[in-house]
Amino acid sequence: DTGVSQNPRHKITKRGQNVTFRCDPISEHNRLYWYRQTLGQGPEFLTYFQNEAQLEKSRLLSDRFSAERPKGSFSTLEIQRTEQGDSAMYLCASSPTSLKQYFGPGTRLTVT
Amino acid sequence: SQQGEEDPQALSIQEGENATMNCSYKTSINNLQWYRQNSGRGLVHLILIRSNEREKHSGRLRVTLDTSKKSSSLLITASRAADTASYFCATESNSGGSNYKLTFGKGTLLTVNP
Repeated sequence: DTGVSQNPRHKITKRGQNVTFRCDPISEHNRLYWYRQTLGQGPEFLTYFQNEAQLEKSRLLSDRFSAERPKGSFSTLEIQRTEQGDSAMYLCASSPTSLKQYFGPGTRLTVT
Repeated sequence: SQQGEEDPQALSIQEGENATMNCSYKTSINNLQWYRQNSGRGLVHLILIRSNEREKHSGRLRVTLDTSKKSSSLLITASRAADTASYFCATESNSGGSNYKLTFGKGTLLTVNP
């Protein structure tokens, strides 16, 4: 059990650019979640996968955001045409059949 | 949107003292969980209490749940400097198709002074 990993850990980009983040969950965890956390706030749910199926998307996930989990293992979160308001920590979590979620270290995005 | 509110927003205590944090939430839940987050890092699961439970213990942690008041408390006994972190409560709603997603509060920043 090597834990959930996320790459990159930090990303600085200019407004209008596209960015992509990767999450590698704990192997054999069929559930995968993306959350976004801004300074001084708790994480907010973005989207959820069970295996390769994206089963729920938050209203926070505008059409500039897209997430995939093509083979039911790793997942990517892409933000197109980034805006300064997208600056946040993006957290990935995975879980098996239990209710507990295992979080990765996060990717901190700064949009300048 | 945030489900709940932690209280207080910040708490500073001396090593060895107990720390109590409270959480209120709005909707009916299946369970409530507490997580810890060290500065700039991911969250670590601490403890889960189901909606039909009233109290749970894990090491130095004690969690209570009052579903009639939609509130929970986390007690950390005999605190240590290493307990310094932000603590979040998170709820799983019992509305149909919740997909086990968690709704977090804003957190309590705990500082334990040596």
